[in-house]
Amino acid sequence: AQRVTQPEKLLSVFKGAPVELKCNYSYSGSPELFWYVQYSRQRLQLLLRHISRESIKGFTADLNKGETSFHLKKPFAQEEDSAMYYCARARGFNTNAGKSTFGDGTTLTVKP
Amino acid sequence: DAGVTQSPTHLIKTRGQHVTLRCSPISGHKSVSWYQQVLGQGPQFIFQYYEKEERGRGNFPDRFSARQFPNYSSELNVNALLLGDSALYLCASSRDPRTDTQYFGPGTRLTVL
Repeated sequence: AQRVTQPEKLLSVFKGAPVELKCNYSYSGSPELFWYVQYSRQRLQLLLRHISRESIKGFTADLNKGETSFHLKKPFAQEEDSAMYYCARARGFNTNAGKSTFGDGTTLTVKP
Repeated sequence: DAGVTQSPTHLIKTRGQHVTLRCSPISGHKSVSWYQQVLGQGPQFIFQYYEKEERGRGNFPDRFSARQFPNYSSELNVNALLLGDSALYLCASSRDPRTDTQYFGPGTRLTVL
């Protein structure tokens, strides 16, 4: 079964510190990977996807096929980054985001 | 545009009952996906519909069914409710699921007593 693992349920950093949210996926071909974010009282929304290679709100994520990882990084965390972050992969061998497998999420808290 | 809308916001049912959840996609979006999110876990894929046809099904029992209407809105039906069906049910829509971002609704909170 395809799996997405986010080993940290909770992560706390101070404002201005670097942050890395870990994500590992079970291997199968060339997966399409995503990071979603859910701010307090808001809907789940896409933060970034691997295929577009964008940097959103200062976050980047690099696909490491050797380690089957897609960790999310930001060099200087801001208080407004506090949220729940989910890593996800498209199911199967396509880029269909609508059939995604999600990790269980990491709650990031950025302290002042 | 109000984004993806879902109704009802929350509801309470008892074991053995049936429930229907509704989703209206963003205007112009032809694909709808349904996810179940149990407390403390990530969303789990249930169904995807595109152009009114089922395009994918997750590992859920036959008690779960869905359909998409000509206006691209969708219903998720769950029969013979179990306590374990208590969850947040999310709907997401996209223009073309092969290439586009999916946009999530606020969810329907189902409690089964």
